[in-house]
Amino acid sequence: GAVVSQHPSRVICKSGTSVKIECRSLDFQATTMFWYRQFPKQSLMLMATSNEGSKATYEQGVEKDKFLINHASLTLSTLTVTSAHPEDSSFYICSARVSGGGNTIYFGEGSWLTVV
Amino acid sequence: AQSVTQPDIHITVSEGASLELRCNYSYGATPYLFWYVQSPGQGLQLLLKYFSGDTLVQGIKGFEAEFKRSQSSFNLRKPSVHWSDAAEYFCAVGSYNTDKLIFGTGTRLQVFP
Repeated sequence: GAVVSQHPSRVICKSGTSVKIECRSLDFQATTMFWYRQFPKQSLMLMATSNEGSKATYEQGVEKDKFLINHASLTLSTLTVTSAHPEDSSFYICSARVSGGGNTIYFGEGSWLTVV
Repeated sequence: AQSVTQPDIHITVSEGASLELRCNYSYGATPYLFWYVQSPGQGLQLLLKYFSGDTLVQGIKGFEAEFKRSQSSFNLRKPSVHWSDAAEYFCAVGSYNTDKLIFGTGTRLQVFP
C-alpha cells in the first residue's frame, strides 16, 4: 500500500531555534498534503493544507509565519517550526491523498518535537 | 457545525470478547467516514473507510463498521479482540470535495488477557 514517511521521527531542539520536518510520499504522487498536530492524549488538529507549487492554506489560529510549509515537489512537503518554544512541543503528523486514487488518505508515522 | 463524537474515552475488554466503538458525526455534506488506529508514539493506520454503497464495510485486521445515516453513526466492530488490538482508535469524517478530515477525540482500547 501507499506509504508516507516522515523525518525525523524524533527531534529535540533548543528554544529559539528552528526545526524542519519532512513528509514524503514514497510510492505515489501527492498534490496535496496535510499537517496535523496532536497533543498528548488528544485528537489530531489540522494545521494547514500543503499544495504543491503554491502557498499553504492555514487553519484559523495557526501562525503561518511560525509554521512554514513548503511543498516543492509532488512527493515532498516540509514543515518548519521557526523560533520554537516549549509550547510547540508536540506530535506532528502529515497525511497525503493519492492523486487519482479515490479519497484514501495515508498518514505518516509522525514526528515528535521536544523544545527545551 | 461539523464534528465527530466518540463518546467512549476509554474501553477495556477481555481478549476474545467482542468490541464496538461508537462514532457519531455532524456534517453538512455527504460524509466520507474513516476509522484509523494509532499505536503509542506512532502514526495513523487506516482500518477502513466508507464512501458509498454497502453500508457495512470490511476493513483490515478483522474490523468492520456500519454506516447508519438515520443515526449519523459509523460504529466500529470486531467479533473477537486480540491483545494486539490495544491502541487508540480515531473516527474521522471528510467530504468528496475536500481532503480535510475532522477527527473525533479518540477511544483508547485496553485488552486484558
